[in-house]
Amino acid sequence: GDSVTQMEGPVTLSEEAFLTINCTYTATGYPSLFWYVQYPGEGLQLLLKATKADDKGSNKGFEATYRKETTSFHLEKGSVQVSDSAVYFCALSDIRNDMRFGAGTRLTVKP
Amino acid sequence: DTAVSQTPKYLVTQMGNDKSIKCEQNLGHDTMYWYKQDSKKFLKIMFSYNNKELIINETVPNRFSPKSPDKAHLNLHINSLELGDSAVYFCASSQDSSLTGNTEAFFGQGTRLTVV
Repeated sequence: GDSVTQMEGPVTLSEEAFLTINCTYTATGYPSLFWYVQYPGEGLQLLLKATKADDKGSNKGFEATYRKETTSFHLEKGSVQVSDSAVYFCALSDIRNDMRFGAGTRLTVKP
Repeated sequence: DTAVSQTPKYLVTQMGNDKSIKCEQNLGHDTMYWYKQDSKKFLKIMFSYNNKELIINETVPNRFSPKSPDKAHLNLHINSLELGDSAVYFCASSQDSSLTGNTEAFFGQGTRLTVV
């Protein structure tokens, strides 16, 4: 079945460092891809999404590009802030409306 | 106005008890989900309901049973609670877009269940 694999955490960075969280997927169709963020003590919130190959999703300085050839959707941010500390989930939604999540990557940003 | 709301937010109970968690969405969505998040933050889908019909059941023990009285509600009943059931349970909903697959899930705030 469809699945999502994202890099193991935790990730610890200093403020203003560059962030990459890798995500790859396996799907039989053409899924939509998402990044969700979970701040401490809260539910998951949609961060960005891309619905077709070569689409770039972006929000709050975060970006991810839907790469069909490498089946990837890596999350990047050029300069992280302490307030970006959270758990990040890569996810896909296929034609059957199934939502599949990766295991989550905990990011800690230190001042 | 909360889009997806679940109650209670915290639930502490003894082993062997039966408990329920309620979920309501006011987004008019066709599909609702229950997810279990363990202590390592791994998110695992438990159930998905589309127009009151179960469409996913991911090898969840039959002690767990979803109940959907209508499209806006998906409650989770758990019988004979075990220590390993301790986790955070998230309810979510999404609009059915079976033609495009272009859908996103909206999540509730979670219910932290602790079994002692």
